[in-house]
Amino acid sequence: DQQVKQNSPSLSVQEGRISILNCDYTNSMFDYFLWYKKYPAEGPTFLISISSIKDKNEDGRFTVFLNKSAKHLSLHIVPSQPGDSAVYFCAASWSGWGKLQFGAGTQVVVTP
Amino acid sequence: DAGITQSPRHKVTETGTPVTLRCHQTENHRYMYWYRQDPGHGLRLIHYSYGVKDTDKGEVSDGYSVSRSKTEDFLLTLESATSSQTSVYFCAIRMGGENTEAFFGQGTRLTVV
Repeated sequence: DQQVKQNSPSLSVQEGRISILNCDYTNSMFDYFLWYKKYPAEGPTFLISISSIKDKNEDGRFTVFLNKSAKHLSLHIVPSQPGDSAVYFCAASWSGWGKLQFGAGTQVVVTP
Repeated sequence: DAGITQSPRHKVTETGTPVTLRCHQTENHRYMYWYRQDPGHGLRLIHYSYGVKDTDKGEVSDGYSVSRSKTEDFLLTLESATSSQTSVYFCAIRMGGENTEAFFGQGTRLTVV
């Protein structure tokens, strides 16, 4: 049962432009959401998170938006840089449930 | 540095043999997780632990068992390895409570031939 979905397997964006990654979830109990970045042959690294009491969280070039009514979150990267080329995973959990569930990932390629 | 070490980093094993992967943390974090990563599937939870001797199944637990006899070590065992268990395995820890970020180890690439 895929409760966290990333429907775009890949995204190509020009350097300097905005990258927008999308994630949908089905479990209304989720109240904490995270984004991870993964390079080949490395473990995923934490990027940014958001609690369900907020609708936006910003950290430098990365902003996460949460739309609870639509069960949708997005990650904006502005401006995109070549080092941002990686696979991005969204993840979700809820208080009282120790599991952390991930989407299938989106491969981002930033071109010069 | 979250202080997570996975061993071994690479392993090739034959079908039907038992395999144990180890995840070691240097601090006393409560939650530990085992995931596998496969193309098109993202990171799928195999098992997780919320304390010593406290474990629970994830979405792809068949064919795997875990043990956590002390806080710092979380072991993943494939009782009888199959080719479908060829994958990259990641251990993760949550440094705080339930709604906090998880930090991942470097991964173990397992090939079952």
